[in-house]
Amino acid sequence: QQPVQSPQAVILREGEDAVINCSSSKALYSVHWYRQKHGEAPVFLMILLKGGEQKGHEKISASFNEKKQQSSLYLTASQLSYSGTYFCGTAGTSYGKLTFGQGTILTVHP
Amino acid sequence: DAGVIQSPRHEVTEMGQEVTLRCKPISGHDYLFWYRQTMMRGLELLIYFNNNVPIDDSGMPEDRFSAKMPNASFSTLKIQPSEPRDSAVYFCASLRVGNTIYFGEGSWLTVV
Repeated sequence: QQPVQSPQAVILREGEDAVINCSSSKALYSVHWYRQKHGEAPVFLMILLKGGEQKGHEKISASFNEKKQQSSLYLTASQLSYSGTYFCGTAGTSYGKLTFGQGTILTVHP
Repeated sequence: DAGVIQSPRHEVTEMGQEVTLRCKPISGHDYLFWYRQTMMRGLELLIYFNNNVPIDDSGMPEDRFSAKMPNASFSTLKIQPSEPRDSAVYFCASLRVGNTIYFGEGSWLTVV
């Protein structure tokens, strides 16, 4: 079953923050976040395993609430390069078959 | 290390023709996935293989679609006959257990 992402689209100015959410109705083993720019393949950002951990990558971090089957991606002090479509992929077991959300379109303006 | 390699990158074909998409996964990865991406349906998993064996093909839309993985370094996705609604970007991706999925650059298919 496809995870649900919110919001569907976000428009920011450089330097502003954003949060993208990903929710599943099924128990999750892991959540994977990707960013895709127009005409390119999705690029891996980070993976979160069950255990409620939070991870960071420069100004992009994420959390995973195992009990709520939710993950959030946090983008702080956004840059123009952050523009793109963000996907969460969820896996119910450890072997990694991912089901992707519908994507969140993030646009950062100067 | 080379990433996932797909060919062709772009293909335009006429309705009714056979289309074959090719993929070379990352060496050492034991899972291979075929995804299709469209504006309407997003990223859909079509089929995946583990150690060259098809595990789940429930996402394959219909019998016109078939996929094979004859060895650990090569897979094909075939559409025969192709239809305009098959127009999409087809991504191949691979994974090693404990890691994440890495996508190829995609094959952009247009059926006219």
